Amino acid sequence: SQTIHQWPATLVQPVGSPLSLECTVEGTSNPNLYWYRQAAGRGLQLLFYSVGIGQISSEVPQNLSASRPQDRQFILSSKKLLLSDSGFYLCAWSSGMSNQPQHFGDGTRLSIL
Amino acid sequence: AQKVTQAQTEISVVEKEDVTLDCVYETRDTTYYLFWYKQPPSGELVFLIRRNSFDEQNEISGRYSWNFQKSTSSFNFTITASQVVDSAVYFCAVAQGGSEKLVFGKGTKLTVNP
Repeated sequence: SQTIHQWPATLVQPVGSPLSLECTVEGTSNPNLYWYRQAAGRGLQLLFYSVGIGQISSEVPQNLSASRPQDRQFILSSKKLLLSDSGFYLCAWSSGMSNQPQHFGDGTRLSIL
Repeated sequence: AQKVTQAQTEISVVEKEDVTLDCVYETRDTTYYLFWYKQPPSGELVFLIRRNSFDEQNEISGRYSWNFQKSTSSFNFTITASQVVDSAVYFCAVAQGGSEKLVFGKGTKLTVNP
């Protein structure tokens, strides 16, 4: 069966520091991969999605970036964090076929001080 | 562009009550897919159901049921005999046919009190 791992679970970072969140999927190949952000009390905002290695689509212009160095690995990065980057970050995967459900990781709670 | 409206921000019920969570969607596509997700306090999103635009049959799964009304662009979710473990934020979402992207509503926070 497929599983998705996301780490770390919680992270406290100072403003201006770099960020790297990692997500890996097991039990499937060539998945679609997604990064979402959920601000406190708000809905989900799609940040990036990827349909293959090295293919990244950005939904919201910001100081975050994403990379997919391997088929089942998706990384969310920032060179300099802002206070507004605080939130709950969720990684998700779906099969390569259209309109399949997305399955989410446990999330990373990021606090910027 | 698609849009999902979940007008109920928060709902509070007492255990064993039935509760309906509303979802109204907007899309210009003739082919689209609707989803419901549950987000318990632990944070992860759990997939509940997917429905395509050509299938208006209502669905029941245990205490959960979904009512898809294309005429009113609604995809409502009913929990029968609610339990404390049903307490969570519930999200409705829509996707254009052939698209990899989901558009989520802002969610409804359901609290079931003992």
